[in-house]
Amino acid sequence: ETGVTQSPTHLIKTRGQQVTLRCSSQSGHNTVSWYQQALGQGPQFIFQYYREEENGRGNFPPRFSGLQFPNYSSELNVNALELDDSALYLCASSLETGGGYGYTFGSGTRLTVV
Amino acid sequence: GQNIDQPTEMTATEGAIVQINCTYQTSGFNGLFWYQQHAGEAPTFLSYNVLDGLEEKGRFSSFLSRSKGYSYLLLKELQMKDSASYLCAVRDPSTDKLIFGTGTRLQVFP
Repeated sequence: ETGVTQSPTHLIKTRGQQVTLRCSSQSGHNTVSWYQQALGQGPQFIFQYYREEENGRGNFPPRFSGLQFPNYSSELNVNALELDDSALYLCASSLETGGGYGYTFGSGTRLTVV
Repeated sequence: GQNIDQPTEMTATEGAIVQINCTYQTSGFNGLFWYQQHAGEAPTFLSYNVLDGLEEKGRFSSFLSRSKGYSYLLLKELQMKDSASYLCAVRDPSTDKLIFGTGTRLQVFP
């Protein structure tokens, strides 16, 4: 059983640019959530996708957008990058929503905006 | 508002027992999770409580009191590899999101 894989592992972008981060869900999982984790902080919920539809969103501006594909993999897109977007971006997959156990996190993408 | 509080840092000695507390004030509640996160790595699931009481899993136990908005993670027989950050998270029933605390960085010394 494979876990959650994210790519790339590290990325450096310039302010104003756009970035796409990718996530492959754990086998059998149909729900994916994205979190932003600033240094020394806990993860902050960005949004969740369930069966290719957005199913909940945190307090992030519209320049943060996402997609979930039929194979349940997912993308996080961030437009007009700002310096404060520098963080670890975590993807978590689960089987159905409301599950009691199954949020499996990927190792994250470390994004640095300069 | 949504608020999860846990100590920022704790230290303990190898072989000892440590208790990491978490208090929460959230608009909804559908379970509390504890995760372990080593630096630069993914958070890994440790425990899940949705009913009051103690859940035991090997060296790790987690307790929940919903009326007090309180949980703790108990780590026994500490090992050096237990040095990590421990994240407390409450699931919001309306959005299914996890609301995390800032994490407790635990350092285990020989």
